[in-house]
Amino acid sequence: AQTVTQSQPEMSVQEAETVTLSCTYDTSESDYYLFWYKQPPSRQMILVIRQEAYKQQNATENRFSVNFQKAAKSFSLKISDSQLGDAAMYFCASHGEYGNKLVFGAGTILRVKS
Amino acid sequence: KAGVTQTPRYLIKTRGQQVTLSCSPISGHRSVSWYQQTPGQGLQFLFEYFSETQRNKGNFPGRFSGRQFSNSRSEMNVSTLELGDSALYLCASSLGTGEKDTQYFGPGTRLTVL
Repeated sequence: AQTVTQSQPEMSVQEAETVTLSCTYDTSESDYYLFWYKQPPSRQMILVIRQEAYKQQNATENRFSVNFQKAAKSFSLKISDSQLGDAAMYFCASHGEYGNKLVFGAGTILRVKS
Repeated sequence: KAGVTQTPRYLIKTRGQQVTLSCSPISGHRSVSWYQQTPGQGLQFLFEYFSETQRNKGNFPGRFSGRQFSNSRSEMNVSTLELGDSALYLCASSLGTGEKDTQYFGPGTRLTVL
Protein backbone atom coordinates (compact mmCIF):
# COMPACT_ATOMS: atom_id res chain seq x y z
CA ALA A 1 0.00 0.00 0.00
CA GLN A 2 1.02 3.55 -0.62
CA THR A 3 2.71 5.19 2.38
CA VAL A 4 4.03 8.65 3.12
CA THR A 5 6.25 9.17 6.15
CA GLN A 6 7.11 12.39 7.91
CA SER A 7 9.57 11.54 10.64
CA GLN A 8 9.64 14.95 12.32
CA PRO A 9 6.51 15.54 14.45
CA GLU A 10 7.67 19.05 15.30
CA MET A 11 10.32 21.51 14.13
CA SER A 12 11.35 24.98 15.26
CA VAL A 13 13.11 27.72 13.33
CA GLN A 14 14.21 31.22 14.12
CA GLU A 15 12.64 33.97 12.05
CA ALA A 16 14.68 34.70 8.88
CA GLU A 17 16.50 31.37 9.06
CA THR A 18 16.14 28.25 6.92
CA VAL A 19 14.44 25.00 7.85
CA THR A 20 14.03 21.69 6.06
CA LEU A 21 11.11 19.33 6.57
CA SER A 22 11.60 15.68 5.62
CA CYS A 23 9.31 13.30 3.79
CA THR A 24 9.73 9.83 2.34
CA TYR A 25 7.18 7.92 0.33
CA ASP A 26 6.64 4.53 -1.14
CA THR A 27 4.88 3.99 -4.44
CA SER A 28 4.84 1.52 -7.29
CA GLU A 29 3.50 4.16 -9.64
CA SER A 30 5.64 5.61 -12.41
CA ASP A 31 3.58 8.73 -12.95
CA TYR A 32 2.64 10.74 -9.90
CA TYR A 33 2.83 14.11 -8.25
CA LEU A 34 4.16 14.98 -4.84
CA PHE A 35 2.85 17.87 -2.79
CA TRP A 36 3.48 19.90 0.29
CA TYR A 37 0.41 21.42 1.90
CA LYS A 38 0.32 23.88 4.76
CA GLN A 39 -2.47 23.86 7.35
CA PRO A 40 -2.46 26.92 9.64
CA PRO A 41 -4.65 27.14 12.76
CA SER A 42 -7.60 28.12 10.53
CA ARG A 43 -7.43 24.48 9.25
CA GLN A 44 -7.56 25.63 5.62
CA MET A 45 -5.27 23.32 3.63
CA ILE A 46 -3.09 25.44 1.37
CA LEU A 47 -0.97 24.10 -1.48
CA VAL A 48 2.64 25.14 -0.97
CA ILE A 49 4.46 23.39 -3.79
CA ARG A 50 4.08 20.57 -6.29
CA GLN A 51 6.63 18.27 -7.89
CA GLU A 52 5.98 16.14 -10.93
CA ALA A 53 7.80 12.85 -10.54
CA TYR A 54 9.01 12.69 -14.14
CA LYS A 55 10.73 16.08 -13.84
CA GLN A 56 14.28 15.94 -12.56
CA GLN A 57 14.40 19.64 -11.75
CA ASN A 58 13.41 20.49 -8.21
CA ALA A 59 10.33 22.70 -7.89
CA THR A 60 10.64 26.19 -6.41
CA GLU A 61 8.00 28.67 -5.31
CA ASN A 62 9.50 31.88 -3.92
CA ARG A 63 10.96 31.00 -0.50
CA PHE A 64 9.88 27.35 -0.77
CA SER A 65 11.86 24.71 -2.61
CA VAL A 66 12.04 20.94 -2.62
CA ASN A 67 14.83 18.41 -2.77
CA PHE A 68 13.36 15.54 -4.77
CA GLN A 69 15.39 12.33 -4.77
CA LYS A 70 13.36 9.90 -6.86
CA ALA A 71 15.54 6.85 -6.39
CA ALA A 72 15.56 7.33 -2.64
CA LYS A 73 11.84 8.24 -2.64
CA SER A 74 12.60 11.34 -0.65
CA PHE A 75 10.86 14.70 -0.96
CA SER A 76 11.98 17.35 1.51
CA LEU A 77 10.74 20.94 1.76
CA LYS A 78 13.12 23.81 2.39
CA ILE A 79 11.75 27.10 3.68
CA SER A 80 14.17 30.00 3.38
CA ASP A 81 13.94 33.31 5.24
CA SER A 82 11.28 31.87 7.56
CA GLN A 83 8.47 34.21 8.55
CA LEU A 84 6.03 34.14 11.45
CA GLY A 85 3.25 33.40 8.97
CA ASP A 86 4.97 30.15 8.02
CA ALA A 87 4.02 28.64 11.38
CA ALA A 88 1.61 25.82 10.62
CA MET A 89 1.25 22.06 10.21
CA TYR A 90 2.91 20.89 7.01
CA PHE A 91 1.73 17.78 5.21
CA CYS A 92 3.56 15.85 2.55
CA ALA A 93 1.28 14.01 0.12
CA SER A 94 1.55 11.71 -2.84
CA HIS A 95 -0.93 10.27 -5.27
CA GLY A 96 -2.12 6.84 -4.29
CA GLU A 97 -2.17 3.71 -6.36
CA TYR A 98 -5.39 4.53 -8.14
CA GLY A 99 -6.48 7.77 -9.66
CA ASN A 100 -6.56 11.07 -7.92
CA LYS A 101 -6.51 9.84 -4.32
CA LEU A 102 -3.95 11.60 -2.13
CA VAL A 103 -2.08 9.79 0.63
CA PHE A 104 -0.83 12.09 3.38
CA GLY A 105 1.94 11.89 5.92
CA ALA A 106 1.22 12.48 9.60
CA GLY A 107 2.35 16.09 9.39
CA THR A 108 5.10 18.23 10.89
CA ILE A 109 4.26 21.15 13.16
CA LEU A 110 6.52 24.09 12.31
CA ARG A 111 7.04 26.74 14.97
CA VAL A 112 8.68 30.02 14.05
CA LYS A 113 10.38 31.96 16.82
CA SER A 114 10.80 35.73 16.73
CA LYS B 1 -11.47 32.65 -9.24
CA ALA B 2 -13.30 31.84 -6.08
CA GLY B 3 -11.88 28.96 -4.11
CA VAL B 4 -13.52 25.78 -2.92
CA THR B 5 -16.41 26.47 -0.58
CA GLN B 6 -17.90 24.14 2.00
CA THR B 7 -21.09 24.45 3.97
CA PRO B 8 -21.79 24.39 6.78
CA ARG B 9 -18.50 25.24 8.47
CA TYR B 10 -19.55 23.78 11.82
CA LEU B 11 -22.09 21.15 12.71
CA ILE B 12 -23.14 19.45 15.92
CA LYS B 13 -25.17 16.25 15.75
CA THR B 14 -26.08 13.44 18.10
CA ARG B 15 -25.40 9.74 17.68
CA GLY B 16 -27.76 8.00 15.29
CA GLN B 17 -28.57 11.10 13.28
CA GLN B 18 -27.53 11.66 9.72
CA VAL B 19 -25.74 14.62 8.20
CA THR B 20 -25.18 16.11 4.75
CA LEU B 21 -22.16 18.24 3.91
CA SER B 22 -21.86 20.32 0.77
CA CYS B 23 -18.91 21.31 -1.39
CA SER B 24 -18.74 23.71 -4.32
CA PRO B 25 -15.56 23.30 -6.41
CA ILE B 26 -13.50 25.95 -8.12
CA SER B 27 -15.19 27.06 -11.32
CA GLY B 28 -14.18 24.75 -14.16
CA HIS B 29 -13.09 21.92 -11.88
CA ARG B 30 -14.94 18.70 -12.47
CA SER B 31 -13.41 16.43 -9.85
CA VAL B 32 -14.30 16.59 -6.17
CA SER B 33 -12.61 14.51 -3.50
CA TRP B 34 -13.50 14.19 0.17
CA TYR B 35 -11.15 13.56 3.09
CA GLN B 36 -11.66 12.98 6.79
CA GLN B 37 -9.14 14.47 9.22
CA THR B 38 -8.92 13.27 12.83
CA PRO B 39 -6.14 13.57 15.41
CA GLY B 40 -5.79 9.80 15.63
CA GLN B 41 -6.00 8.73 11.99
CA GLY B 42 -4.77 11.85 10.24
CA LEU B 43 -6.03 12.61 6.76
CA GLN B 44 -7.88 9.79 5.07
CA PHE B 45 -9.42 9.66 1.61
CA LEU B 46 -13.16 9.02 1.48
CA PHE B 47 -14.07 9.17 -2.21
CA GLU B 48 -13.72 11.07 -5.45
CA TYR B 49 -16.43 12.12 -7.88
CA PHE B 50 -15.97 13.09 -11.49
CA SER B 51 -18.75 13.84 -13.96
CA GLU B 52 -21.38 12.74 -11.44
CA THR B 53 -19.75 9.30 -11.04
CA GLN B 54 -17.76 7.94 -8.15
CA ARG B 55 -14.31 7.38 -9.60
CA ASN B 56 -12.45 6.19 -6.53
CA LYS B 57 -13.34 5.12 -3.02
CA GLY B 58 -11.46 4.84 0.25
CA ASN B 59 -11.83 2.31 3.01
CA PHE B 60 -14.85 3.66 4.88
CA PRO B 61 -18.11 1.92 5.82
CA GLY B 62 -21.21 2.23 3.69
CA ARG B 63 -22.62 4.82 6.09
CA PHE B 64 -20.46 7.29 4.21
CA SER B 65 -21.81 8.15 0.79
CA GLY B 66 -21.61 10.95 -1.67
CA ARG B 67 -22.89 12.29 -4.91
CA GLN B 68 -22.06 14.90 -7.48
CA PHE B 69 -24.42 17.10 -9.43
CA SER B 70 -24.23 18.24 -13.03
CA ASN B 71 -22.71 21.57 -11.95
CA SER B 72 -19.90 19.60 -10.21
CA ARG B 73 -21.11 20.51 -6.72
CA SER B 74 -20.84 17.55 -4.39
CA GLU B 75 -22.52 16.40 -1.23
CA MET B 76 -21.35 13.91 1.33
CA ASN B 77 -23.78 12.07 3.58
CA VAL B 78 -23.08 10.19 6.78
CA SER B 79 -25.93 8.11 8.17
CA THR B 80 -26.32 6.70 11.68
CA LEU B 81 -23.63 8.92 13.12
CA GLU B 82 -21.17 7.49 15.61
CA LEU B 83 -18.98 9.35 18.10
CA GLY B 84 -15.94 8.40 16.02
CA ASP B 85 -17.29 10.33 13.06
CA SER B 86 -16.37 13.57 14.80
CA ALA B 87 -13.78 15.07 12.48
CA LEU B 88 -12.87 17.81 10.07
CA TYR B 89 -14.22 16.91 6.64
CA LEU B 90 -12.26 18.44 3.81
CA CYS B 91 -13.35 18.72 0.24
CA ALA B 92 -10.86 19.22 -2.58
CA SER B 93 -11.42 20.03 -6.22
CA SER B 94 -9.27 19.51 -9.28
CA LEU B 95 -9.63 19.89 -13.02
CA GLY B 96 -10.13 16.17 -13.44
CA THR B 97 -8.79 16.15 -16.98
CA GLY B 98 -5.95 13.81 -16.05
CA GLU B 99 -6.13 10.74 -13.90
CA LYS B 100 -3.92 12.47 -11.34
CA ASP B 101 -3.84 16.20 -10.83
CA THR B 102 -3.50 18.94 -8.27
CA GLN B 103 -6.17 19.24 -5.62
CA TYR B 104 -7.22 22.48 -3.98
CA PHE B 105 -8.92 22.30 -0.64
CA GLY B 106 -11.86 24.04 0.94
CA PRO B 107 -11.93 25.34 4.52
CA GLY B 108 -13.54 22.18 5.84
CA THR B 109 -16.63 21.32 7.85
CA ARG B 110 -16.06 20.58 11.52
CA LEU B 111 -18.50 17.85 12.57
CA THR B 112 -19.01 17.10 16.25
CA VAL B 113 -21.06 14.06 17.21
CA LEU B 114 -22.38 14.02 20.78
